[in-house]
Amino acid sequence: EAGVVQSPRYKIIEKKQPVAFWCNPISGHNTLYWYLQNLGQGPELLIRYENEEAVDDSQLPKDRFSAERLKGVDSTLKIQPAELGDSAVYLCASSPDRDSYEQYFGPGTRLTVT
Amino acid sequence: ELKVEQNPLFLSMQEGKNYTIYCNYSTTSDRLYWYRQDPGKSLESLFVLLSNGAVKQEGRLMASLDTKARLNTLHITAAVHDLSATYFCAVDIPNSGYALNFGKGTSLLVTP
Repeated sequence: EAGVVQSPRYKIIEKKQPVAFWCNPISGHNTLYWYLQNLGQGPELLIRYENEEAVDDSQLPKDRFSAERLKGVDSTLKIQPAELGDSAVYLCASSPDRDSYEQYFGPGTRLTVT
Repeated sequence: ELKVEQNPLFLSMQEGKNYTIYCNYSTTSDRLYWYRQDPGKSLESLFVLLSNGAVKQEGRLMASLDTKARLNTLHITAAVHDLSATYFCAVDIPNSGYALNFGKGTSLLVTP
């Protein structure tokens, strides 16, 4: 069974440019999470989806960050415009449903903003 | 504010030695998690502890949970180099399904 797939794995952009990250969860997993991991820190929740509904986006900086999961499968996280402080690893995780506590993490996208 | 504090943040130990990583958390939670992260890699689930007094062991690692003291420990027995990694503990974020709040991680280096 394939794990959580994320792309790109690495991205370097200049500040003020837009960037998008893509996540394909494990097949059949209805719950999807985006986390942000700064260097030397633990991951921090950005947004949680149950199917196509964003049920917890309280930690998402909505002035520049947006996310979507239109068909309840793949998800895209966007930053526009990117700032230097956005340099981090963006992790996607999925679990079978809202009653499942096991989360499976993808490899992450490492973003560098110059 | 929900806090998860790990101690120590950095640990260098010799092969064959024993050590314990501590994780304190500030909210009531009946579930504690331990994850491992190798450099440049994603997080690998090690243990999920579901109730007070729970103990789980896998190889040289043993995790235990005391929900009354809000203390979660990861004990390393007879360390080997392959255990070198960063270890994170995490708790559920209240009212957020099973979204997780992580500690800062303990960076473990096992040397010959």
